[in-house]
Amino acid sequence: EAGVTQFPSHSVIEKGQTVTLRCDPISGHDNLYWYRRVMGKEIKFLLHFVKESKQDESGMPNNRFLAERTGGTYSTLKVQPAELEDSGVYFCASSQVGLDMLDTQYFGPGTRLTVL
Amino acid sequence: DAKTTQPTSMDCAEGRAANLPCNHSTISGNEYVYWYRQIHSQGPQYIIHGLKNNETNEMASLIITEDRKSSTLILPHATLRDTAVYYCIVRPSQGGSEKLVFGKGTKLTVNP
Repeated sequence: EAGVTQFPSHSVIEKGQTVTLRCDPISGHDNLYWYRRVMGKEIKFLLHFVKESKQDESGMPNNRFLAERTGGTYSTLKVQPAELEDSGVYFCASSQVGLDMLDTQYFGPGTRLTVL
Repeated sequence: DAKTTQPTSMDCAEGRAANLPCNHSTISGNEYVYWYRQIHSQGPQYIIHGLKNNETNEMASLIITEDRKSSTLILPHATLRDTAVYYCIVRPSQGGSEKLVFGKGTKLTVNP
């Protein structure tokens, strides 16, 4: 079974440009999460989709970030315009609630974003 | 904020057991203890979780104290590839899926 995949693995852009990150969850997983780690900080939650609906977007830093999950499959996270402080590693995770009402989140390898 | 406290770093000799402690004195009755690890430059990797009973899987064992205020992750025979940052996370068991709140974790170094 394929795991969570993310594209691209690395992205280097200039301040003011736009970047779109993509996440493909594990097939059949309704839950999709975005997290990020900025330099020297802890991994922080950004938002959570259940299928195509945003369940919790309390971690989104500002309106320069737009996440979508059309059709409830893959998700994109767009940063427009990018700022220097957006640099970091963006992780995606997916999960499915089991019969025990628990969901274990499985993470992708991350996208390293560098804004110059 | 993370609801757990872990040592900043630990060392372990290759082949020996690595015992990673975690304090979660404010844990609620419906909260599970999860362990993840992050090997350098990779995404966090799920290891194990438990509620109150000890748990074991192919990766590790989780020992939770009777009062549930602390737990220990045990890697029975640590290898160099187990060098990573280990995160202890508490999260609710009901009410739908919940985000993970990562703390600083414990940097485990396995030495040859």
